[in-house]
Amino acid sequence: DIQMTQSPSSLSASVGDRVTITCRASQGIRNDLGWYQQKPGKAPKRLIYSASSLQGGVPSRFSGSGSGTEFTLTISSLQPEDFATYYCLQHNSYPLTFGGGTKVEIK
Amino acid sequence: EVQVLESGGGLVQPGGSLSLSCAASGFTFSTYPMSWVRQAPGKGLEWVSVISNSGGTTFYAGSVKGRFTISRDNSKNTLWLQLNSLRADDTAIYYCAKGGLTTAGFDYWGQGTLVTVSS
Repeated sequence: DIQMTQSPSSLSASVGDRVTITCRASQGIRNDLGWYQQKPGKAPKRLIYSASSLQGGVPSRFSGSGSGTEFTLTISSLQPEDFATYYCLQHNSYPLTFGGGTKVEIK
Repeated sequence: EVQVLESGGGLVQPGGSLSLSCAASGFTFSTYPMSWVRQAPGKGLEWVSVISNSGGTTFYAGSVKGRFTISRDNSKNTLWLQLNSLRADDTAIYYCAKGGLTTAGFDYWGQGTLVTVSS
């Protein structure tokens, strides 16, 4: 199984900050990675697929990069509605595996 | 508008069974693989199972293999997950999600249904 190691597990940031979250795969997964945002009590929502493609309707302040084993989600200017938990998901092979999550909190 | 709506969750005793269903609308259901993803209380996301668009191919997480069965009826736009031999660590919100490996993950999710395994 492919293990996804996500870091940090939590972070505190202010509105307007640039935020970076990283996922590392235990083996190469090409660009078969997505990023999801989850707010309390809600279902996850896809932000990025295939490592760097922005899901329709998602603000352009969200971006993804990486290939192989190292991937990054960047929020260029954190907004109040961005405080949530973020997960990466590898969709290269079954079983699909998620990272452990990053909780983004208000500083 | 794409919608997926889960139902069937509830309280069940250890060793018991439960059947979850997911009603889909707003897209050509028979074209897409469908998955189940779960989230234990206060924990992260765990992929559970996927079924191909035709229903002919299925995959399971190791933690549920041999106990859970995924199925679908394309004529009814419905997905199911049969949960048998339930354990306390199966307690979670179960989400139905459109997509799988060949669709680059999941672009639509339901709101989830809670399964609680407790005596």
